[in-house]
Amino acid sequence: DTGVSQDPRHKITKRGQNVTFRCDPISEHNRLYWYRQTLGQGPEFLTYFQNEAQLEKSRLLSDRFSAERPKGSFSTLEIQRTEQGDSAMYLCASSLAGGEETQYFGPGTRLLVL
Amino acid sequence: GQSLEQPSEVTAVEGAIVQINCTYQTSGFYGLSWYQQHDGGAPTFLSYNALDGLEETGRFSSFLSRSDSYGYLLLQELQMKDSASYFCAVRYNFNKFYFGSGTKLNVKP
Repeated sequence: DTGVSQDPRHKITKRGQNVTFRCDPISEHNRLYWYRQTLGQGPEFLTYFQNEAQLEKSRLLSDRFSAERPKGSFSTLEIQRTEQGDSAMYLCASSLAGGEETQYFGPGTRLLVL
Repeated sequence: GQSLEQPSEVTAVEGAIVQINCTYQTSGFYGLSWYQQHDGGAPTFLSYNALDGLEETGRFSSFLSRSDSYGYLLLQELQMKDSASYFCAVRYNFNKFYFGSGTKLNVKP
């Protein structure tokens, strides 16, 4: 069990550029969540998948954000036309169906938009 | 919508007991979770309460009162390594989680 991994760990980009982050959940976990966390705040729900199906997306998420989980394994989160307000830590978490209360978080990707 | 209230900061001495309270408002409530996060680290699951009462896991205990929309995390025999932020999170609509802003715990020698 290698835990949840995320790549890259850090990303610096210029406003207007597109960025993509990857999350590899714990192998047997079929639920995968994306969160955003800013300094001094708790994780904010963005979206979640059960296997390859994206079941819910936060109303706070603009159309610039898209997530995929092909084949129900790893997931990607893409932000198009980045804005300075997108600067945050992007966290991925996974859990087992039937054990949703226990989420295992990855180390996160810290995004800085200049 | 959902709302959570927890103290922003708590300070205690090594070996003491500290209680971090959490009050919530939400529809579709399923349970209350607690997570620990050290600076620069990822949140780590501590406990979950779906029913009223106390859950004990080693030095940590968590309590829930659904009728009062209230819970707390109790940390006993505080150690320096317990210095971290602690988040309560409501599980609602079965698969969604709403996190509070966190309580920063400072443990002093």
